[in-house]
Amino acid sequence: QVHLQESGPRLVQPSETLALTCDVSGGSVSSSYWWSWVRQSPGKGLEWIGEMYHLGNTNYKLSLKSRVTISIDKSKNQFSLRLTSVTAADTAVYYCARGTLRAHFDVWGQGALVTVSS
Amino acid sequence: VLTQSPATLSLSPGERATLSCRASRNVTDYLAWYQQRPGQPPRLLIYDASIRATGVPARFSGGGSGTDFTLTISGLEPDDYASYFCQQRGNWRTFGQGTRVEVK
Repeated sequence: QVHLQESGPRLVQPSETLALTCDVSGGSVSSSYWWSWVRQSPGKGLEWIGEMYHLGNTNYKLSLKSRVTISIDKSKNQFSLRLTSVTAADTAVYYCARGTLRAHFDVWGQGALVTVSS
Repeated sequence: VLTQSPATLSLSPGERATLSCRASRNVTDYLAWYQQRPGQPPRLLIYDASIRATGVPARFSGGGSGTDFTLTISGLEPDDYASYFCQQRGNWRTFGQGTRVEVK
């Protein structure tokens, strides 16, 4: 059974870069899935951030595209999120998730609450 | 855009819950439903509009195609009181704003 676990700093200064990593166990990032990031602001709904396929293709939410980078490290069996120039509006629980080729998310990490504050 | 209704559904245990999700354009059957309990990640319930994910009880069913979709819970159990989100494929993945099912 595939398991995902987010890790990274939970407090980020405004204007700095948010960086999270998702460790994949029980499966391989080289398999045919879209490795994805979704966030949820406190008390709000779910917002898809972007995704990367193991062959290198990426898709990002248009409004975040200029600030987001998702990458895969096959040697470590993990994938990562970088979000630059963060503001308080980027405070959220960040989930990594596995997206199927039918575009639904069948495996989710537990989530990491990242707070943007000085 | 996905629009879910109602925002909140107040029902008693054992009652039937019907949740709606409307898409602003035709998404064929690329529609999924998730359950989220407080402090937990979303859990996939239904994909391709009507297929139950592994381990999901039979009281959960999904229907619809095109722009109008429903999630039905045939008899509410205590664990079912949670928030439910629909999600579509599109050019980018988008989620509805959610429906919260609460105890009446």
